Amino acid sequence: LAKTTQPISMDSYEGQEVNITCSHNNIATNDYITWYQQFPSQGPRFIIQGYKTKVTNEVASLFIPADRKSSTLSLPRVSLSDTAVYYCLVVSSNTGKLIFGQGTTLQVKP
Amino acid sequence: DTAVSQTPKYLVTQMGNDKSIKCEQNLGHDTMYWYKQDSKKFLKIMFSYNNKELIINETVPNRFSPKSPDKAHLNLHINSLELGDSAVYFCASSQEFSGTGLYNEQFFGPGTRLTVL
Repeated sequence: LAKTTQPISMDSYEGQEVNITCSHNNIATNDYITWYQQFPSQGPRFIIQGYKTKVTNEVASLFIPADRKSSTLSLPRVSLSDTAVYYCLVVSSNTGKLIFGQGTTLQVKP
Repeated sequence: DTAVSQTPKYLVTQMGNDKSIKCEQNLGHDTMYWYKQDSKKFLKIMFSYNNKELIINETVPNRFSPKSPDKAHLNLHINSLELGDSAVYFCASSQEFSGTGLYNEQFFGPGTRLTVL
């Protein structure tokens, strides 16, 4: 299963755009890139998923280059409530199994 | 309406005891999971059930026994609790399991914080 590497922590200020990059060099053809968000004392919550190029929803955008060895989660104009841990996962469509790494702790400051 | 619920939210117990954590989902999903999140915040999958059948067992000690009475419930029973079992346990569910070529997001419950003294 592809292992992911992402920064342990990031700081930002309200209103800024935040980009969190994840490396997944061993991604396989059947793997999808998925991001989850976890607030303190809550379970993780699905944010976005993609296979290649760009995916956008009401919460975030996901940019995936052609080689798919990395991806970038983009959060537009963050607010204090976006303070959370963000997990990048590579999920096999054959197993559906989620392997969580350490995630990126995003701290949004006023 | 709560999609995935777990009881209890907190569980404090002595070493050697047996305890259960209950999970219910009202999403009509086919697959349910148990995860363990340790003090370093690493989330690890423990079990997965699809239509009441065990499909993933991640080398979890056999003191841990999941039980799925029906598709909407997946309970976790733990025998002879040890200090190292202290963690937050999350239940999750998803609509569709593997083999379809599609991945469906998992919906997580609020977690059960287990403290073994």
